[in-house]
Amino acid sequence: YELTQPPSVAVSPGQTAKITCSGDVLTQQFAYWFQQKPGQAPLLVIYRDTERPSGIPERFTGSSSGTTLTLTISGVQAGDEAAYFCQSSDSSGSWVFGGGTMLTVL
Amino acid sequence: QVQVVQSGAAVKKPGASGKVSCKATGHSFNTFGINWVRQAPGQGLEWLGWINPKNGNTKYAQPLQGRITVTTDTSTTTAYMELRSLRSDDSAVYYCVITVTTNSLVYWGQGTLITVSS
Repeated sequence: YELTQPPSVAVSPGQTAKITCSGDVLTQQFAYWFQQKPGQAPLLVIYRDTERPSGIPERFTGSSSGTTLTLTISGVQAGDEAAYFCQSSDSSGSWVFGGGTMLTVL
Repeated sequence: QVQVVQSGAAVKKPGASGKVSCKATGHSFNTFGINWVRQAPGQGLEWLGWINPKNGNTKYAQPLQGRITVTTDTSTTTAYMELRSLRSDDSAVYYCVITVTTNSLVYWGQGTLITVSS
């Protein structure tokens, strides 16, 4: 994968989870975060690095610094347990994904 | 709100072709960028290709060049992805992913399971 994510992150309910995504392409193209629960299609939670679609709780925020993107989930709830994938594009416009991070709520 | 509905699951024999359809509604079809992504069981996401329905321009992932074709029918706002010479490692859930180019929002279809088995 051209984008690197930690395989897993674990936090207790109410704590803050931070999931990182790193890659050289992130300095040139916008990035997106998707949440995927078992048996479901991915769902957009952050777009254009930092923007949140309507219907996504304000607890979800995105930030970007250089070659690293961060998805922060504040006040984690049991329902946030899912795999999270980052996605961007390379210089030719082909999509690239991170390997995914499994968020476990302890 | 964009709605994306894909065709149903299919079982294919090795060497056969498989075609998945994706009907998108809720916004002007010509403002979409349409990507195809697959996910093998328990694995991550793999980008397969893209089409601009406004002009028909396409781009494909290098490993699939020559085996994949993505098309659209603007009269029915439907996109198609055909994969030929199927192998067992093509077994996966195939997703149609719509990007609305005017606002960058992204919508996924429900996925289509393609199983390649003799």
